[in-house]
Amino acid sequence: DAGVTQSPTHLIKTRGQQVTLRCSPISGHKSVSWYQQVLGQGPQFIFQYYEKEERGRGNFPDRFSARQFPNYSSELNVNALLLGDSALYLCASRGGTEAFFGQGTRLTVV
Amino acid sequence: GQNIDQPTEMTATEGAIVQINCTYQTSGFNGLFWYQQHAGEAPTFLSYNVLDGLEEKGRFSSFLSRSKGYSYLLLKELQMKDSASYLCAVRADRDDKIIFGKGTRLHILP
Repeated sequence: DAGVTQSPTHLIKTRGQQVTLRCSPISGHKSVSWYQQVLGQGPQFIFQYYEKEERGRGNFPDRFSARQFPNYSSELNVNALLLGDSALYLCASRGGTEAFFGQGTRLTVV
Repeated sequence: GQNIDQPTEMTATEGAIVQINCTYQTSGFNGLFWYQQHAGEAPTFLSYNVLDGLEEKGRFSSFLSRSKGYSYLLLKELQMKDSASYLCAVRADRDDKIIFGKGTRLHILP
């Protein structure tokens, strides 16, 4: 079985631009969560989606948005990028107790 | 507020045993996770505790005391490949919002 897949793996954007990150959960998992991890810190919760509905939101500005599709894949959008948005963005899917993470998308804003 | 504390760094010798402690203060509790994260990679699941006591899984064991807000991860027969960051994380509610500590960077010396 394929694990959680994220695309792209690396991305470089300019300040002010917009970015879309994609995540495909493990087959059968209906819950997808997004996390931001800056260097030297633990992951910070951004969003959770379950059955296409937002179930939780972390302390992130409205520039961050997400959605989940009927096949349970998900997109994270970030508008008006700032230098501080440079981080590893992780997607996690859950079907039971354990949450499995994808390899992440490393976003660099210059 | 939500707070998870763990040591920033630890050093141990190959073949030895090391215990990584974690204390937490969260608005609710619905399970505690330990993840391993190698530099530049995604976190990988190690253990999940929801009831008090010790869970053993091969060389790794995890302990939980809910009344004390305390957990530890015990690593036995340390190997060089165990050099990584270890993340303590708590699910405070029944959703997927998992609150992570900043991680403990473990260095293994030959």
